[in-house]
Amino acid sequence: QQPVQSPQAVILREGEDAVINCSSSKALYSVHWYRQKHGEAPVFLMILLKGGEQKGHEKISASFNEKKQQSSLYLTASQLSYSGTYFCGTEKGNYGQNFVFGPGTRLSVLP
Amino acid sequence: SQTIHQWPATLVQPVGSPLSLECTVEGTSNPNLYWYRQAAGRGLQLLFYSIGIDQISSEVPQNLSASRPQDRQFILSSKKLLLSDSGFYLCAWMGTGPMTGELFFGEGSRLTVL
Repeated sequence: QQPVQSPQAVILREGEDAVINCSSSKALYSVHWYRQKHGEAPVFLMILLKGGEQKGHEKISASFNEKKQQSSLYLTASQLSYSGTYFCGTEKGNYGQNFVFGPGTRLSVLP
Repeated sequence: SQTIHQWPATLVQPVGSPLSLECTVEGTSNPNLYWYRQAAGRGLQLLFYSIGIDQISSEVPQNLSASRPQDRQFILSSKKLLLSDSGFYLCAWMGTGPMTGELFFGEGSRLTVL
């Protein structure tokens, strides 16, 4: 079953912050975050494996609340290069079965 | 290092024609393999995944099929394409075992059905 993402789209000015949310109706073993530029394959950002775990990648960080079956991606002081579509991904088990993505959040960073 | 290749990169096919997209992974063994489809401006739809040779799970009932004749080869096929089959097809692999990691994508195959 596909996770749900919000918002569908975000428009920011360079330097502003954004939060993208991902939730699932089923228990999550892990949450992955990917970014896709137009016409390209998605690129891995990070994976979160534990409840309440937080990770960071430059000025992009994420949290995972296993009990609430939710994850959030935080983009701080956004840069033009952050533009793209962000997908969260979840799996049925913890062996990579049935790995599905949310519908995506389109992020546009303007100068 | 591990690499993943898929081909062809672009193809234009008439309705009713067959399809074959191929994906090959190098530098790893017994990977999980996946086929996704992305319609224009849409999300990533899981079509098939495989945990081993000849072990394939179909996630969406349609006119597509997948095969895994070798450990690191994954093929997506159709006997008769539909207009709705147009899209960006992505092959991906993930290492096996518990606590799975990153999903690595191929370059993608852009299919236009006319």
